[in-house]
Amino acid sequence: ELKVEQNPLFLSMQEGKNYTIYCNYSTTSDRLYWYRQDPGKSLESLFVLLSNGAVKQEGRLMASLDTKARLSTLHITAAVHDLSATYFCAVDLLTGSRLTFGEGTQLTVNP
Amino acid sequence: ETGVTQTPRHLVMGMTNKKSLKCEQHLGHNAMYWYKQSAKKPLELMFVYNFKEQTENNSVPSRFSPECPNSSHLFLHLHTLQPEDSALYLCASSQERGFGYGYTFGSGTRLTVV
Repeated sequence: ELKVEQNPLFLSMQEGKNYTIYCNYSTTSDRLYWYRQDPGKSLESLFVLLSNGAVKQEGRLMASLDTKARLSTLHITAAVHDLSATYFCAVDLLTGSRLTFGEGTQLTVNP
Repeated sequence: ETGVTQTPRHLVMGMTNKKSLKCEQHLGHNAMYWYKQSAKKPLELMFVYNFKEQTENNSVPSRFSPECPNSSHLFLHLHTLQPEDSALYLCASSQERGFGYGYTFGSGTRLTVV
């Protein structure tokens, strides 16, 4: 059974600081997704990582994938309040059609 | 608007009621999904449809009954629900098996069972 674990689950940080969210998964997969969810809202796709060593950046967020370590990271640079949200990683098995999610990291950026 | 539309946005129903959730996509996707999001739990996959055929039922109780009349529409019929079924129900769509292009989620239906 595929398991996806994120840490930390809760993250409170100050504006301007850097931090990394980690996502570990238990079964071989080459497809990893990062989503953002604001309270009461749906999931917004941030990044799709398709191969080992993939790195994508959008604004203050950068995601990377190491398939050998079964690890993805979401790095936040110089955080701003607008980044406050819950961030989910999800993994799509190569042989299946299900998307398995981590528990989510609730990020709060304080002024 | 994400391209996947869910109605209603909010639903309050009694345990003896029957109601339906609707999901519609016009993205040309061939796969549609129902997910349940409860407080303090990871998103749980409920059902998967590929080309209108149900390909996965993730041990969901029979009080939840999905229907997929075509590749653009997905329903979730609800009857005799329990209070613990209160959650955000999210519909998603993708090309068959995602194909690396990701999944598009609807805005969800916030369900409260009283």
